[in-house]
Amino acid sequence: SFELTQPPSVSVSPGQTASITCFGNKLGDKYASWYQQRSGQSPVVVIYQDNRRPSGIPERFSGSNSGNTATLTISGTQAMDEADYYCQVWDTSTKAFVFGTGTKVTVL
Amino acid sequence: QVTLRESGPALVKPTQTLTLTCTFSGFSLSTSAMSVSWIRQPPGKALEWLARIDWDGEKVYNTSLKTRLTISKDTSKNQVFLTMTNMDPVDTATYYCARKAALWYYFDSWGQGTLVTVSS
Repeated sequence: SFELTQPPSVSVSPGQTASITCFGNKLGDKYASWYQQRSGQSPVVVIYQDNRRPSGIPERFSGSNSGNTATLTISGTQAMDEADYYCQVWDTSTKAFVFGTGTKVTVL
Repeated sequence: QVTLRESGPALVKPTQTLTLTCTFSGFSLSTSAMSVSWIRQPPGKALEWLARIDWDGEKVYNTSLKTRLTISKDTSKNQVFLTMTNMDPVDTATYYCARKAALWYYFDSWGQGTLVTVSS
């Protein structure tokens, strides 16, 4: 089955840029989405279709996807961005959804 | 406004069968391209997709859990159900239902989740 691997943790200072990677075999051939999950809350999509932001998501969230790696970038990181982040794709071969292993973003 | 709400037992014993209900509003599962999934998250761990049911009745399961899962729907009541057999303590998790976005393969709306503990 398709697997997505993320770094367990990323630390960033307020106002700086955080980059969260998601690795999967030929991931660039699929569309990646990203979810933010604050402590005790349900996930919320922040990026879909590799680089599109849903309405209400701040412009500081952006995404890219090429080769084997998708990346979520948070520019000008704020304390409120501290959360767990998950990448997700749809595997066309199995018609199943797949989530990444998750990354905890800490704003120091 | 789209809302989803999970309901079911908070505690089940090992070997028992779990049945969860997702009651939703703001959309109909009889509408083309609509789909609802179940996703779970063990305490402190990652999200795991379990199953989905589409507007036309198509069902897809996580291959690693396929033998234990059954997803179904009652379109008239705006409900989706999940049964998981032979529950084990490792199945302790928060179980979410979520709606797939109409045109793309991501989840645009989630329920608040329901914590299910498996313990004797």
